[in-house]
Amino acid sequence: GAVVSQHPSWVICKSGTSVKIECRSLDFQATTMFWYRQFPKQSLMLMATSNEGSKATYEQGVEKDKFLINHASLTLSTLTVTSAHPEDSSFYICSARGGTSGLYEQYFGPGTRLTVT
Amino acid sequence: SQQGEEDPQALSIQEGENATMNCSYKTSINNLQWYRQNSGRGLVHLILIRSNEREKHSGRLRVTLDTSKKSSSLLITASRAADTASYFCGTNTGNQFYFGTGTSLTVIP
Repeated sequence: GAVVSQHPSWVICKSGTSVKIECRSLDFQATTMFWYRQFPKQSLMLMATSNEGSKATYEQGVEKDKFLINHASLTLSTLTVTSAHPEDSSFYICSARGGTSGLYEQYFGPGTRLTVT
Repeated sequence: SQQGEEDPQALSIQEGENATMNCSYKTSINNLQWYRQNSGRGLVHLILIRSNEREKHSGRLRVTLDTSKKSSSLLITASRAADTASYFCGTNTGNQFYFGTGTSLTVIP
């Protein structure tokens, strides 16, 4: 199957700083990318969906000014957590799809564990 | 949840027994996918079933889909201790991909 990578795999930062997480599709062009957040013992919650070259569509309750998403190319999307606080500590997972249609399979990255102290 | 619910929330069985978990969703889908997640790790894709399919098999896994009831089930036969994990269904609704609430499976050796 297709490979999606994330970097870093874990990060610890101080409260008030910003953190950028990268998501790359390694062997296919990702027309659509998704960002999820998962708290301990909970399911993955979709934060936003982005199509290459367009602004991201955020799910209800997700602050777009706090979670900046850039899908600048067909192989790279970034999530920047701005002014991070301890409550932003979570497991962030990206996903990539080769097309905009739901007929395309979803490929997931290994996740990034963010700890804000 | 954003798209669906899973039940049971937690399931504990003896090794060798079968495990069944169910997923219900809210809107029309293009396909439904099941994933496994070991504690603190990433997702492992198990099986994809398209909206025009009713049943699919992969090794010890059997997935059914009933679009009229907006539900799916995952059956793991002859369970092993290594099957201990959380299982999530994911639904492709067009541009979004949502997860169910998940089932935590414990297989006791």
